[in-house]
Amino acid sequence: AQSVTQLDSHVSVSEGTPVLLRCNYSSSYSPSLFWYVQHPNKGLQLLLKYTSAATLVKGINGFEAEFKKSETSFHLTKPSAHMSDAAEYFCVVSTTGTASKLTFGTGTRLQVTL
Amino acid sequence: DVKVTQSSRYLVKRTGEKVFLECVQDMDHENMFWYRQDPGLGLRLIYFSYDVKMKEKGDIPEGYSVSREKKERFSLILESASTNQTSMYLCASSQTGSGANVLTFGAGSRLTVL
Repeated sequence: AQSVTQLDSHVSVSEGTPVLLRCNYSSSYSPSLFWYVQHPNKGLQLLLKYTSAATLVKGINGFEAEFKKSETSFHLTKPSAHMSDAAEYFCVVSTTGTASKLTFGTGTRLQVTL
Repeated sequence: DVKVTQSSRYLVKRTGEKVFLECVQDMDHENMFWYRQDPGLGLRLIYFSYDVKMKEKGDIPEGYSVSREKKERFSLILESASTNQTSMYLCASSQTGSGANVLTFGAGSRLTVL
């Protein structure tokens, strides 16, 4: 069985300050982990993925995430928030190679203020 | 630019009506998926298809059916719409093999059932 918990439903940061979106997972096997972003009225877009290579994964738009097996975490970070980062972010876990076994988190809405 | 296109962005239907949601992808992907997105629940898999004329139930198939007559097209059907099917519906596709769990999403179809 697998599950994913996004610890914050809403996060608000000021433009230019760091972003931290938290995700914990549960998996019986070595997981693949993903972060997707959804801008208003748009579909989901892949930000980055972890598939058992380097534990620090770099994605698009300056985002990165670190896989920490001991903490079962895969938190998403960005050093400096931009207004265009305002969106909903989903953490996703998969323990097989098939997309039919993806489990999505409930999402974290990121607000960026001036 | 590769795309997953959902033909209807917004639909309003009445209880008991038959509803068709169409999805077309131009990436020659084998796998196609229909998800439902509700606030606080993340994305839940309704149905998926690994090949033409093939379909598999996801986590919440009740009240839905699907059709895949051509590789590029995957349709979601609500035989008799009900108010609890008011939701955002997301279509996605992926390739086979190592990329199977990397999804490309459409922009979504927001359905309101009155």
